[in-house]
Amino acid sequence: EVQLVESGGGLVQPGGSLRLSCAASGFTFSTYSMNWVRQAPGKGLEWLSYISYSSSTIYYADSVKGRFTISRDNAKNSLYLQMNSLRDEDTAVYFCAREISPYGPNDYWGQGTLVSVSS
Amino acid sequence: QLVLTQSPSASASLGASVKLTCTLNSGHSTYAIAWHQQQPEKGPRYLMKFNSDGSYSKGDGIPDRFSASSSGAERYLTISSLQSEDEADYYCQTWGMGIRVFGGGTKLTVL
Repeated sequence: EVQLVESGGGLVQPGGSLRLSCAASGFTFSTYSMNWVRQAPGKGLEWLSYISYSSSTIYYADSVKGRFTISRDNAKNSLYLQMNSLRDEDTAVYFCAREISPYGPNDYWGQGTLVSVSS
Repeated sequence: QLVLTQSPSASASLGASVKLTCTLNSGHSTYAIAWHQQQPEKGPRYLMKFNSDGSYSKGDGIPDRFSASSSGAERYLTISSLQSEDEADYYCQTWGMGIRVFGGGTKLTVL
């Protein structure tokens, strides 16, 4: 069974940093591209970042470019999102999602982790 | 710029059918899309991928009541024999070089 479990969310002050993790199991993590997607309270889904299976290709949405960094450790079956210079508008539930191989939509999602940015 | 447009809300009666629409913006009318369901307080669930040739492939365990179709730049998700658990938000998604995009979502109410 494919499982994606996010962790690392919490309350952080504006300007602060947080690192999210996503633990993957039930599939060969090293052969799949992954994404981070977030959902602000009461709002829709917003794609944030993509990383290819080998980390050779990375994309970011304009809203987080220069502030967030996606990475992965295939030996640990883990995906990460380093979030710096956090703003109030970054408050959201953050989901990791597997991407259909070799290229396409997200076919499995985690349950999300809540990040609250507030003073 | 790749944009998907969805109506904010839809409603239909228990046991009836409903057709949700997702529209690709000009210049992108041949793109494949995917549909996702998000029940209240849960993470999204992948329903299916709809290809530009009209074929579609479903995610694990998605019942036959869910189907997809298209006309021009419009992509449709049809849910037949509506059940109470179908009350959820539905998002379409597409992808291109360097970008992934979600529509704004449609909140489906089952009456």
